[in-house]
Amino acid sequence: AQSVSQHNHHVILSEAASLELGCNYSYGGTVNLFWYVQYPGQHLQLLLKYFSGDPLVKGIKGFEAEFIKSKFSFNLRKPSVQWSDTAEYFCAVYGSSASKIIFGSGTRLSIRP
Amino acid sequence: GAVVSQHPSRVICKSGTSVKIECRSLDFQATTMFWYRQFPKQSLMLMATSNEGSKATYEQGVEKDKFLINHASLTLSTLTVTSAHPEDSSFYICSAPNRGGNTDTQYFGPGTRLTVL
Repeated sequence: AQSVSQHNHHVILSEAASLELGCNYSYGGTVNLFWYVQYPGQHLQLLLKYFSGDPLVKGIKGFEAEFIKSKFSFNLRKPSVQWSDTAEYFCAVYGSSASKIIFGSGTRLSIRP
Repeated sequence: GAVVSQHPSRVICKSGTSVKIECRSLDFQATTMFWYRQFPKQSLMLMATSNEGSKATYEQGVEKDKFLINHASLTLSTLTVTSAHPEDSSFYICSAPNRGGNTDTQYFGPGTRLTVL
């Protein structure tokens, strides 16, 4: 069965700190991987996605993620966070044969000004 | 970019009543739409896949008679919560992939907050 794990439930950082949010997935076939962000009171927005090719993908707002197939991981990183990055971050997996997107439990990121 | 709307954005109803939530793709056609449920401070849980012109596909544990889904056209899917109870109170979100199911263009609606008294 398809599943996604985000181990960090709540991360608190100071501005300019570096960020890494963990995401591990379980699926036996070809996967597409996503990170979504949900700012307070707003829709889900796509940060970045991995389909194939270069395992290091760059997204909007300075975020990047690295797909490590051997570890079934797709961790999200940002070298220097800003207060405006305060939001909920969701990792998601699309399994090609399952034809659906499954979300992780989410990580709440709080940035201290 | 593509937009998905939901109506209503917020609804309060009495226990035992039915509530219909609409999901529309505003500038593209969607043969498939997805319905999610999000509890406070939790993730999105996929409830069902809505298929235009055919029956919806429900995830394990989701009661199809409780959550009726109708995908009557290429731009509209509806979720009806029948005989709603307080435990059905939640945030319901739909999404639609653009370009015939290509997942790299999954657009999410703003969500509908349902409160059952």
